[in-house]
Amino acid sequence: GESVGLHLPTLSVQEGDNSIINCAYSNSASDYFIWYKQESGKGPQFIIDIRSNMDKRQGQRVTVLLNKTVKHLSLQIAATQPGDSAVYFCAERYSGGGADGLTFGKGTHLIIQP
Amino acid sequence: DVKVTQSSRYLVKRTGEKVFLECVQDMDHENMFWYRQDPGLGLRLIYFSYDVKMKEKGDIPEGYSVSREKKERFSLILESASTNQTSMYLCASSFMRTSYNEQFFGPGTRLTVL
Repeated sequence: GESVGLHLPTLSVQEGDNSIINCAYSNSASDYFIWYKQESGKGPQFIIDIRSNMDKRQGQRVTVLLNKTVKHLSLQIAATQPGDSAVYFCAERYSGGGADGLTFGKGTHLIIQP
Repeated sequence: DVKVTQSSRYLVKRTGEKVFLECVQDMDHENMFWYRQDPGLGLRLIYFSYDVKMKEKGDIPEGYSVSREKKERFSLILESASTNQTSMYLCASSFMRTSYNEQFFGPGTRLTVL
C-alpha cells in the first residue's frame, strides 16, 4: 500500500488566506521529502524539499514542516493566490522505496475561492 | 533550467496499435522514469533506467516496454495498445541514485486508446 498519504483529497481556501496541505508517511527510515505542484494539464513541478535532519524549511511564500515524531509533513502556502490552484503531491525517499527511493502520495487538490 | 520534453501532448490511437512515447532531457541526468497518472491512483511507476541500455521494471510494467539507447532519451513502448492504457503518461529524470535531487517532470502525454 501507499506509504505516503494525504489527509484530504480536496482543500478549499479563500484567496489571500494561508493554506496548509498535510501529508502522512509511514516509513520512519525516510530521509528526504519533496513537495510537488501539478497544474491542470501539466507535469508536476518541484516546490520545496526537506531532509530528515531538519524540522522546517522556507521558500518563497512556502514553508515545509516535518514532524518525525508523528511522521507528518505539511506544506504551508502564505497569502494564497489564484495561481496556487493545483494538485499538490508529497514524496518521500527511503532505501528500498521506488525507483530511486522516491514514493509519491496521491495528491491534494487545492481550490482557491475568490 | 532542467528541461524534460515529451514528443506529444495528446495522442489518440486504436486498440492493437504499437505506440511510442518519447522523452528527452537536457541535463545529463543518469536516471529516467516513466509513470502513468490516473484519477485517484496518483503516480504509478512503469519502468525506469539508471543508465544507457539499462532498464528496470517499476510497479506496473505489464503491457509496456522501454528503450534507452542514448543517455538523454528514454522511450516508452506500448506493444499492443489497449483501452485500459488510456492515461496521462509522465516522464521524469534525476541525477544519480545516491543524490538527494528531486525528479524533474515533463509536461505529460495524454494518450487515448479507442
